[in-house]
Amino acid sequence: EIVLTQSPETLSLSPGEGVTLSCRASRTVTSNYLAWYQQKGGQAPRLLIYDASRRATGTPDRFSGSGSGTDFTLTISRLEPEDFAVYYCQQYASTAFFTFGPGTKVDI
Amino acid sequence: QLQVQESGPGLVRPSETLSLTCTVSGGSINNALYYWGWVRQTPEKGLEWIGNIYHSGSSYCNPSLKTRVTMSTDPSNNRFSLQLTSVTAADSAVYYCAQLASNPRGRPYYFNSWGQGTLVTVST
Repeated sequence: EIVLTQSPETLSLSPGEGVTLSCRASRTVTSNYLAWYQQKGGQAPRLLIYDASRRATGTPDRFSGSGSGTDFTLTISRLEPEDFAVYYCQQYASTAFFTFGPGTKVDI
Repeated sequence: QLQVQESGPGLVRPSETLSLTCTVSGGSINNALYYWGWVRQTPEKGLEWIGNIYHSGSSYCNPSLKTRVTMSTDPSNNRFSLQLTSVTAADSAVYYCAQLASNPRGRPYYFNSWGQGTLVTVST
């Protein structure tokens, strides 16, 4: 099992600020098979980034993903009001055991 | 645009079987480019992957749930299903079905499209 740890747990920020979220894996995520999802209250998660750095269709370019191996980041260059949400990372390198991180809440 | 939607009972009694169905619209469950999956979410454990299934029936399942999970596809009705046996209160969660892309090697990939989720409570 690849355990994913996200930090920080919560961030309190203002619109217009930039932010970098961290996702660390307990072992190498091969092929950088790591995705980021955004979840707003009462809604399903929404895919933002896959393969660590590829934006999903419809993801604004203020969102960017980077990293490799065991350390990955999601950066939001300038927070919009609709970006305040919980962000999860997920690895799909281990076909037999997908895992999610515990999430980072980006709060106003 | 492909959409998936969960359906099933919102209340299941302890020790019984939880059964959910996911109906696919805007695409075919037989599309070789897709996998289909289930994820559940609780405030305590967060997002927990349950399993993925391909139209051929090949599947992958969370080892912690493997002995209790059955997944199947119903191509004639363009839907797929989840059964979880011997449920306890710990299985109370919001259950999501989802469509996954498949990678160049034909393995399940990231979760591309999610249903809105359905709350299942295990209680007498």
